Amino acid sequence: SAVISQKPSRDICQRGTSLTIQCQVDSQVTMMFWYRQQPGQSLTLIATANQGSEATYESGFVIDKFPISRPNLTFSTLTVSNMSPEDSSIYLCSVRYSTDTQYFGPGTRLTVL
Amino acid sequence: DAKTTQPPSMDCAEGRAANLPCNHSTISGNEYVYWYRQIHSQGPQYIIHGLKNNETNEMASLIITEDRKSSTLILPHATLRDTAVYYCIVRVAYNTDKLIFGTGTRLQVFP
Repeated sequence: SAVISQKPSRDICQRGTSLTIQCQVDSQVTMMFWYRQQPGQSLTLIATANQGSEATYESGFVIDKFPISRPNLTFSTLTVSNMSPEDSSIYLCSVRYSTDTQYFGPGTRLTVL
Repeated sequence: DAKTTQPPSMDCAEGRAANLPCNHSTISGNEYVYWYRQIHSQGPQYIIHGLKNNETNEMASLIITEDRKSSTLILPHATLRDTAVYYCIVRVAYNTDKLIFGTGTRLQVFP
């Protein structure tokens, strides 16, 4: 199985600020994804992080609000910009290998005051 | 719209088999059935997947009906650590098809 780490594991932020979440994988992966899980809800896919090109965003998510980088095959970042309390969620990184197995990181718990 | 329908919650006694149903009546011929679970405050964990044959691994068994319109995840001897939300997901395997989560079944295993 994959070893996926996310930093920070949790944070409390003030509204109007931005937070960058890092995702590091222990081996090269085919695809990387970012999900959001709002309190008491299921997971919602934000975007697919493409290596060397812009991320592909799902309906309802835009690059200005959630810019994503993926500089190589083992690392990605998600920034939550101009935060509001509605952005309080768990943000999860997920990776898929060429074997088609998909794994999830431990998540970043974000609270916006 | 969700491609799968699951009961919102189920209970199971420790040591007994937990049978979690999933309906996927609009499944396409090239879509697989995947099961994940999410234990409280953790990232989702892959359990098992299958196309049309029954599958078994060290965690669970997956039974898919012949018409592929429904399936059942079986945890043969549930433990307290199996308390989690279980998600049934259908997607095309081995391509860029995304893993889209529904609302899942909250399984409570009691002593």
